[in-house]
Amino acid sequence: AQSVAQPEDQVNVAEGNPLTVKCTYSVSGNPYLFWYVQYPNRGLQFLLKYITGDNLVKGSYGFEAEFNKSQTSFHLKKPSALVSDSALYFCAVRDLTGYNFNKFYFGSGTKLNVKP
Amino acid sequence: GAGVSQSPSNKVTEKGKDVELRCDPISGHTALYWYRQSLGQGLEFLIYFQGNSAPDKSGLPSDRFSAERTGGSVSTLTIQRTQQEDSAVYLCASSVTGTSGSHEQFFGPGTRLTVL
Repeated sequence: AQSVAQPEDQVNVAEGNPLTVKCTYSVSGNPYLFWYVQYPNRGLQFLLKYITGDNLVKGSYGFEAEFNKSQTSFHLKKPSALVSDSALYFCAVRDLTGYNFNKFYFGSGTKLNVKP
Repeated sequence: GAGVSQSPSNKVTEKGKDVELRCDPISGHTALYWYRQSLGQGLEFLIYFQGNSAPDKSGLPSDRFSAERTGGSVSTLTIQRTQQEDSAVYLCASSVTGTSGSHEQFFGPGTRLTVL
């Protein structure tokens, strides 16, 4: 079955330190990969995506993500965290095969807490 | 409009009543998705449409839930005989179909449903 896993419910990091939010997936074919962010009492905002090409993709607010096909991972990273990065982060995969072509699968979300 | 819109933004209803939630996708987006999110939790997939047909209805929690899409545009999610456990934020998203153009989902602001 297609699935996306975010193994950490919560990640705590000090401001100025690098952060990583993990995501692995189990989706057949070569799916498209995404990260979304949800700030408190706000809707989901698109951060970045991997479609093809370079494994390191850059997105909004200084975030980047590294695609690793052999490990089926797409971890979100930022070199220096800000308190304002504190939010709920979702990894998502878009299925491009079979009957559920175009369906998106979301991870369970990781709450990022950046402390001053 | 420029983005996905949902109405109403808030809905308070009494247990046992029926409610209708509306989603207007971005013009030209042929795929439309419904999700449910409890406070601070992950996204629960409900249903998605390709045009007017729904390839996957597996996420609908019970037969009290139904959704339709007409004209390849507006979608309505109907909950009959609402229960308190239906209280949540209902999110709608849309995307293009296929592998050209933008690839991500665009989310609406959600409808917050409270069942008393």
